[in-house]
Parts: sequence; structure tokens; C-alpha cells
Amino acid sequence: GDSVTQMEGPVTLSEEAFLTINCTYTATGYPSLFWYVQYPGEGLQLLLKATKADDKGSNKGFEATYRKETTSFHLEKGSVQVSDSAVYFCALRRGTDKLIFGTGTRLQVFP
Amino acid sequence: DADVTQTPRNRITKTGKRIMLECSQTKGHDRMYWYRQDPGLGLRLIYYSFDVKDINKGEISDGYSVSRQAQAKFSLSLESAIPNQTALYFCATSDSTSTSYNEQFFGPGTRLTVL
Repeated sequence: GDSVTQMEGPVTLSEEAFLTINCTYTATGYPSLFWYVQYPGEGLQLLLKATKADDKGSNKGFEATYRKETTSFHLEKGSVQVSDSAVYFCALRRGTDKLIFGTGTRLQVFP
Repeated sequence: DADVTQTPRNRITKTGKRIMLECSQTKGHDRMYWYRQDPGLGLRLIYYSFDVKDINKGEISDGYSVSRQAQAKFSLSLESAIPNQTALYFCATSDSTSTSYNEQFFGPGTRLTVL
């Protein structure tokens, strides 16, 4: 069945460091791919998305490119801030409206 | 005011008790979902509803039931709670008629502890 695999956390970085959170997926066909972010004590919010191969989603300085050849959708940011500390979820959607989530990666950014 | 609200935000109960978690939305969306979040497992879909008369099981529906009382309200019930249902529960909505139809909007979550 469809699945999403994320790198385990926590990822600990200093402010202004470069961030990469890896995400790979298994799915037939052409799923849409998403990154959601969960700030402490809150629900999930959509961060960015890509709906077809080679699309790049971007928002708030974060980017991810839909790579069909490597079945990946890695999240990157050039310079993280303390306020980026959160849990990040990669997800896919194929066909119906259901989302399949990865296990989440906690990011901790220190001043 | 929040667009997707969940009540209660926290609940502690005992094994065997019946529990209802409620979700309301003011976004006018037709689709609603219930997920549970467990450490190391991410979010898993319990039930989803595409409209008031359309309710479907997700991947982990055993031990749960739902009711879509109106387009804006979707309740999750645990008929006889057990400790392994201790988790963080999220309600979400989406709009099938929107160009962003594949975006889901989440409530703040309900933390349920079953002793």
C-alpha cells in the first residue's frame, strides 16, 4: 500500500543553519505530496504542496521538489529561525481525499 | 475565532467509559475527518465523511464510531474506552469544491487519556 517514510528526529540546529528533512514515498500512479507543520500545542497546518513531478512547492522560505525518479519530496530551508521549531509531517494523497502521513520529524532550533 | 474547534481539549477517563469527542467547523466545508496521533506513528485516519450522508471507515476504525449531525459537526465516539486509545485526536476539514480541494484544515486537537 501507499506509504511515506521520513527521517527520524529530532533534528537539532543552530539559528541560520541549513535545514533538510528527508521524505520518500511509495505509491502507484502520481500522488500529490504535502508538507504539514505542527507548532507546539496546535493542529497541523499546510506548509507547502506539489501535485506533479518536478513541481516545487514553497512557503515561508521552505521548499520541496517533487522528484518522481527518486520518489522523494525533501524539505529544505536555507536559514532556519527559532520560530521554525515544530514537528514536520510529509504526506501524500492519491485518488481520493485521504492523506497518508509520515511519522513526523521534530525540528529544534537554538539561538 | 478558530475555524475548526474541538471539544474537549483534554479528557481523562477510565477504562470502559463511553466518550464523545466533538468537532465543529465554520468554514463551510463538506468533508470532515478524524485522525489520531501517536508518538512515532504519525497521524492515522479513523473515519471520514464526504457529506452528511456519506461516512467511511479509515485505517483504524475498530473501537470507534462517528456521527455527522450536520455539515458543520462531526463527532467521534469511543463506546468502551481502553488504555491503548490514549492519544491526541484531530479533526480536519476540506472543501471538495475549492481549487485547493486537497488541503485539509486541522483543529487544535483533543488529548485523551484512558486509565
